[in-house]
Amino acid sequence: GAGVSQSPRYKVAKRGQDVALRCDPISGHVSLFWYQQALGQGPEFLTYFQNEAQLDKSGLPSDRFFAERPEGSVSTLKIQRTQQEDSAVYLCASSQMTGLNEKLFFGSGTQLSVL
Amino acid sequence: DQQVKQNSPSLSVQEGRISILNCDYTNSMFDYFLWYKKYPAEGPTFLISISSIKDKNEDGRFTVFLNKSAKHLSLHIVPSQPGDSAVYFCAATWGNNNDMRFGAGTRLTVKP
Repeated sequence: GAGVSQSPRYKVAKRGQDVALRCDPISGHVSLFWYQQALGQGPEFLTYFQNEAQLDKSGLPSDRFFAERPEGSVSTLKIQRTQQEDSAVYLCASSQMTGLNEKLFFGSGTQLSVL
Repeated sequence: DQQVKQNSPSLSVQEGRISILNCDYTNSMFDYFLWYKKYPAEGPTFLISISSIKDKNEDGRFTVFLNKSAKHLSLHIVPSQPGDSAVYFCAATWGNNNDMRFGAGTRLTVKP
């Protein structure tokens, strides 16, 4: 596609609900990243995929957070039993090659509000 | 542990003048630095980068300066245009580390 696409654009969840956030990276991009951006802060790393392999999940804040990219393209970030502190913008980014010296292409994000 | 800091949350400049956005870092392992620009309701977009082996990189109106001894980098925009009004994020990484660290951002407003 022309860019990184994320859906939904906005998600409101009741505390305790499970949510699933989708990311369609740029076609052919090997690397895919998920970031969490709290209000007034910069993006914070959550997890990294190289094709279908999740090579780094050190940024996931708890075991309620789970990400997958089963076919090496579309990725889903799942948050179980959402809490109010999970409220943030979740950004997905992709890059053509591996390694962080490749510039990242970001989606517009999913704004999650947990009530 | 905020390893990348942008201490000015906002900056306002007049059209045609220079905009200087600053960024400080604490991790001496960082060897690659990037600036991203973000418009409302959009994701950040890559603007310019610099490797630690350089002290300056220029791309059109945008120049990034790196002072390794001071652990400081800056983004200069000359001349500033109203379309440059956005939030600018400084980011840093090292080696093949997947964890790119971002600053909190500086909101630039360029007044016509």
